[in-house]
Amino acid sequence: ETGVTQSPTHLIKTRGQQVTLRCSSQSGHNTVSWYQQALGQGPQFIFQYYREEENGRGNFPPRFSGLQFPNYSSELNVNALELDDSALYLCASSSEANGEQFFGPGTRLTVL
Amino acid sequence: AQSVTQPDIHITVSEGASLELRCNYSYGATPYLFWYVQSPGQGLQLLLKYFSGDTLVQGIKGFEAEFKRSQSSFNLRKPSVHWSDAAEYFCAVGGYSSASKIIFGSGTRLSIRP
Repeated sequence: ETGVTQSPTHLIKTRGQQVTLRCSSQSGHNTVSWYQQALGQGPQFIFQYYREEENGRGNFPPRFSGLQFPNYSSELNVNALELDDSALYLCASSSEANGEQFFGPGTRLTVL
Repeated sequence: AQSVTQPDIHITVSEGASLELRCNYSYGATPYLFWYVQSPGQGLQLLLKYFSGDTLVQGIKGFEAEFKRSQSSFNLRKPSVHWSDAAEYFCAVGGYSSASKIIFGSGTRLSIRP
């Protein structure tokens, strides 16, 4: 059974650019959640996708957007990057059976 | 409001000594409680979880946690720490539904004194 995978591992962008992060969910999982973890802090919920629809959103601006595909993989897009967007972005997948979320290794985004 | 409080930012424990990391939560419904560990530059690894049943739950790596509803606490314990336990520990709360988001505490950094 393959776990949650994320790509790329690391990414460096400049302020104002756009970025796309990718997540492949664990087999059998149809829900994907995205979290932002700034340095020295706990992860913060960005949004969740369930069966290709956004299913809840945290306190993040609209320039954070996402997609979920029929195979339940997901993308996180961030437009007009700001320095404060520098963080570890974590993806987690879960099934309808229960609320346990399985996390991927994360993508480290640095905005210069 | 839903929240998780980890009052200790940084704890240093001697190798072989016992450990207790504190966690208090606020959650409107029946909580699903978690402890995660994160090594530097790594993702999150689930140590243990609690939803119902026995309030003392066993996890991986010799960790355990006790749920105390009256105190809204879910403290993590280990009888004897090893140098490899040095990491960041996060307490988290969510709902049982897969549609629930997980709310994390700010973390406790554990250092091990040789």
